[in-house]
Amino acid sequence: EAGVTQFPSHSVIEKGQTVTLRCDPISGHDNLYWYRRVMGKEIKFLLHFVKESKQDESGMPNNRFLAERTGGTYSTLKVQPAELEDSGVYFCASSPRGRETQYFGPGTRLLVL
Amino acid sequence: KQEVTQIPAALSVPEGENLVLNCSFTDSAIYNLQWFRQDPGKGLTSLLLIQSSQREQTSGRLNASLDKSSGRSTLYIAASQPGDSATYLCAVRRGGNTGKLIFGQGTTLQVKP
Repeated sequence: EAGVTQFPSHSVIEKGQTVTLRCDPISGHDNLYWYRRVMGKEIKFLLHFVKESKQDESGMPNNRFLAERTGGTYSTLKVQPAELEDSGVYFCASSPRGRETQYFGPGTRLLVL
Repeated sequence: KQEVTQIPAALSVPEGENLVLNCSFTDSAIYNLQWFRQDPGKGLTSLLLIQSSQREQTSGRLNASLDKSSGRSTLYIAASQPGDSATYLCAVRRGGNTGKLIFGQGTTLQVKP
C-alpha cells in the first residue's frame, strides 16, 4: 500500500510569488489533514477535509492560504502571495473513516526569500 | 486553550539504557493521545495511540501510558538502540467533529553505540 505522498519535496520562491503544494492521501482515506511546522515551533494544524468537504479550517492562518480537495482524492494547498513567515515544512496526513491514526507524508519544505 | 509540552527537548543516552520521554497537556478533556517518531527529513510515523479511556498501550519495546486527570503521558523505551535515535512527538486530539491534533515540540533522542 502506497503511503501519503507530497509534491514537491522542496520549493524555493520569492516573496510575493504563488506556490501550490499537492498531497495524495492513501487510497480510500476519507480524512485528509494539512499541518505545518515553522522554524523552531511545534507542528500546527491547518485544516481537515472529510472527502471533499472542509470539516475544520480553524488553523488556516489567513486568506492567502487556499486548500482544495476536488473529488475527494488529492488535495492542493495554495499560498498566494507568499510571505517570508510562510517558510516551513508543510505536512499532509490522511486516515480512513472511523479510524484515529493519522498517516503522515514526508512534507514539503517551503522557503520564501 | 490546549497546550502540549514535552520535556526534555533533547536527550542523549548510551545504547541499552531504558528511558522515559514525558508529555504534558493543559486540558484533560482529550479524546486520544498519539506518540509519533520523526526521522530527519522524513514524515511522522505513528508509534502508539491511546484512547482517553485507556491507561497504556504497548508495542514491542515501547510502552505509552496516559494519566488524563493529571494531564500527563510517558513513552517508555526499553533497551534503547542506535536505531531509536529520532525526534519523538506527542499529540492530543480533543474530539468532536475535527481530527485536529495539537503537538508538543518534541524530544530529540540520540542513542550512542
